[in-house]
Amino acid sequence: DMKVTQMPRYLIKRMGENVLLECGQDMSHETMYWYRQDPGLGLQLIYISYDVDSNSEGDIPKGYRVSRKKREHFSLILDSAKTNQTSVYFCASSLSRANSGNTLYFGEGSRLIVV
Amino acid sequence: GDSVTQTEGPVTVSESESLIINCTYSATSIAYPNLFWYVRYPGEGLQLLLKVITAGQKGSSRGFEATYNKETTSFHLQKASVQESDSAVYYCALGPSGGNYKPTFGKGTSLVVHP
Repeated sequence: DMKVTQMPRYLIKRMGENVLLECGQDMSHETMYWYRQDPGLGLQLIYISYDVDSNSEGDIPKGYRVSRKKREHFSLILDSAKTNQTSVYFCASSLSRANSGNTLYFGEGSRLIVV
Repeated sequence: GDSVTQTEGPVTVSESESLIINCTYSATSIAYPNLFWYVRYPGEGLQLLLKVITAGQKGSSRGFEATYNKETTSFHLQKASVQESDSAVYYCALGPSGGNYKPTFGKGTSLVVHP
């Protein structure tokens, strides 16, 4: 069905709580991404995953970690959330890194508010 | 590193008017990057609008067009007559490249079309 699914779509957490954002794709894509989007800043890359247990830091990895134990599933974890991590988070996937013409497929986003 | 600069929004136009959103890029990791336009409609994730992987070629979709100009390193998005349903945020992007296979996105341009 070529879909990227993010859960939860909306989340409110208190400062210091742990946060788990989950992403799934049904396309057997090798590469997956986590981005955050803030007004005026566009998309900022947090982490890339090239396949199971093969993850690489993006541009703003501090305060985040990821887990990919199955090809179709990629999690973003915030240990002890901070108010400046309030944002909209997008997951994306692409077929592989072998071809730079591959399209990224995005989920609908997860809006996180940390109070 | 690679970078993308696009028209700063919001861009406000009236229905049936023409539109151009400028996009210029700088690519240091690859001579001829693949070029993309993604669009994010309200409440949805980003989706591919069009892409061009060959310099000099034009891509088109949903009435939008963009030509890959390697001389001016530009990939401007144009539409002859916009509709209210075109209201969205538009992102210009370079395809994943470099050792860590990172895509490069512009900051996005918000388009508001008035009836």
